[in-house]
Amino acid sequence: RKEVEQDPGPFNVPEGATVAFNCTYSNSASQSFFWYRQDCRKEPKLLMSVYSSGNEDGRFTAQLNRASQYISLLIRDSKLSDSATYLCVVNPLTGGGNKLTFGTGTQLKVEL
Amino acid sequence: DVKVTQSSRYLVKRTGEKVFLECVQDMDHENMFWYRQDPGLGLRLIYFSYDVKMKEKGDIPEGYSVSREKKERFSLILESASTNQTSMYLCASIDGGSTDTQYFGPGTRLTVL
Repeated sequence: RKEVEQDPGPFNVPEGATVAFNCTYSNSASQSFFWYRQDCRKEPKLLMSVYSSGNEDGRFTAQLNRASQYISLLIRDSKLSDSATYLCVVNPLTGGGNKLTFGTGTQLKVEL
Repeated sequence: DVKVTQSSRYLVKRTGEKVFLECVQDMDHENMFWYRQDPGLGLRLIYFSYDVKMKEKGDIPEGYSVSREKKERFSLILESASTNQTSMYLCASIDGGSTDTQYFGPGTRLTVL
């Protein structure tokens, strides 16, 4: 089983739609969780951290379910500029504090 | 503004050549990382470093070595490049003790012929 698993997509959605991505992780001791965004031929950049209580940043909402070991990202009112690959990232806190484990990413295409 | 730079955006080398990929960060970060990214496999950690002259193997260190002589610079070395090392190479850094954002360089797309 992969440490972090995501549906690769692509998710093709019309502009204005709501779309949700899920991600599962295998290490129950993991402490920190993130969503990164990667545009085509660009480097990954932090989109948002994921907290146990859930957190929201504008149109983006992240949720963590520790019992089921999954993380979700909800994007409301999708924009064309949201088209990118979204990487689920986990810090397992084993073997050193800052090592991150990346999912393979979920591709989102927002269309007119 | 944080900045991680990599020496080349695109690089073409021949099998058996020695290849140096350089990464420099200007944020005084202790921790630096080298990843490769391949379709369907995501980002995989090659090596990381917690301090000058310190290095730790990541998940796929075979065929690679690293050097960290100065805090701001972390070099990835392919001693004898092979075609299966054709990939996108990404460098990242993070402040020591932080569990938050890793800052990535723009990447080097290496092709080994």
